[in-house]
Amino acid sequence: DVKVTQSSRYLVKRTGEKVFLECVQDMDHENMFWYRQDPGLGLRLIYFSYDVKMKEKGDIPEGYSVSREKKERFSLILESASTNQTSMYLCASLSPQGYTEAFFGQGTRLTVV
Amino acid sequence: AQSVTQLDSHVSVSEGTPVLLRCNYSSSYSPSLFWYVQHPNKGLQLLLKYTSAATLVKGINGFEAEFKKSETSFHLTKPSAHMSDAAEYFCVVSALYNQGGKLIFGQGTELSVKP
Repeated sequence: DVKVTQSSRYLVKRTGEKVFLECVQDMDHENMFWYRQDPGLGLRLIYFSYDVKMKEKGDIPEGYSVSREKKERFSLILESASTNQTSMYLCASLSPQGYTEAFFGQGTRLTVV
Repeated sequence: AQSVTQLDSHVSVSEGTPVLLRCNYSSSYSPSLFWYVQHPNKGLQLLLKYTSAATLVKGINGFEAEFKKSETSFHLTKPSAHMSDAAEYFCVVSALYNQGGKLIFGQGTELSVKP
């Protein structure tokens, strides 16, 4: 089974803290993604990466950065957490070869207080 | 550019009646299309995918979807709803070939199933 593992299910952080969300996949997939999910807005793409050390901005990159030093790991960084970043964060991976599906982690529910 | 629109934010059906969740897409080339389901406090699970083979796609749990290019639609159906189908459903278009595999999500349809 493909596994996409997010390091935490629930996190509570204070405003202004630097926050790291980690995602690891075990299928040697090239492409990895970070989304945030908010009620009524669906999933919105924050950043994605199609290779080690490569990254592309998604639709809502402001306030976030990412790191991909190894193929299996894709980290989302909140440089200075704010309350409007309280959300569910989902990591996904897929192989771009053919019409393959994306596999998702279980999500991290981040609350910034 | 690709986009996807789910026409209903909420659908309510009675158990045993048909389900129809509507999705329209926009794509400048032949798209890959997916339906994902998310049960409360769970991750996203693939229901089915369209990959330019058969236009009628069968998925898990009795769901199916029909790709209609002329209508740019990919509606999800099920003949008979079950209580366990209550969840949020996402229609997704994939920009595999020119955007690094970017997935574009609809805003989701919440399905309620009444006893």
